[in-house]
Amino acid sequence: GENVEQHPSTLSVQEGDSAVIKCTYSDSASNYFPWYKQELGKRPQLIIDIRSNVGEKKDQRIAVTLNKTAKHFSLHITETQPEDSAVYFCAASRPNSGYALNFGKGTSLLVTP
Amino acid sequence: DTGVSQDPRHKITKRGQNVTFRCDPISEHNRLYWYRQTLGQGPEFLTYFQNEAQLEKSRLLSDRFSAERPKGSFSTLEIQRTEQGDSAMYLCASSTLEARVNTGELFFGEGSRLTVL
Repeated sequence: GENVEQHPSTLSVQEGDSAVIKCTYSDSASNYFPWYKQELGKRPQLIIDIRSNVGEKKDQRIAVTLNKTAKHFSLHITETQPEDSAVYFCAASRPNSGYALNFGKGTSLLVTP
Repeated sequence: DTGVSQDPRHKITKRGQNVTFRCDPISEHNRLYWYRQTLGQGPEFLTYFQNEAQLEKSRLLSDRFSAERPKGSFSTLEIQRTEQGDSAMYLCASSTLEARVNTGELFFGEGSRLTVL
């Protein structure tokens, strides 16, 4: 089955700096790659996603890049703010899987003022 | 409708007992998913339904786990003969069609936390 690896497991940055989280996947057939944010004690929420027919997508301070050849994708957060502190999960799914997502283990991001 | 709701939020049980969790998805969401999340890990996919049809169940953790969505609305996840290793957060999520296409965005509930003593 699909294996999604995520690095780093923890990341600490100062407010205003950029943060980058990287994921690799094993199944070359995977074509949908979302990122979810989970604040402490709360439910995961989608923050951005990318499909395999594009290489990059941006939404304000958040961007995701995808390298299909290398089978890796990354989340970039610019101008980080304390409220960005949370656990971020990458995920991947195959076509015709009903969007059954295979999640990475998560990255705990801490943004210090 | 304020989102996906799950009940109970917390369940403590003794090993060997059966437990059942309920999930009410967002109205008119045709797909419903069950995930398990343990501390420090990402959600682990268990099963999903499209309307009342269970389209993937091979990833349920053992034959002690079963799920139903009899009328295509709420769903239940049952764990029989619970074991200590079943202790986890059980998350439900739903998603909808947009222009007849599922967008992929999952709306998660707050989860049902199971503790098996």
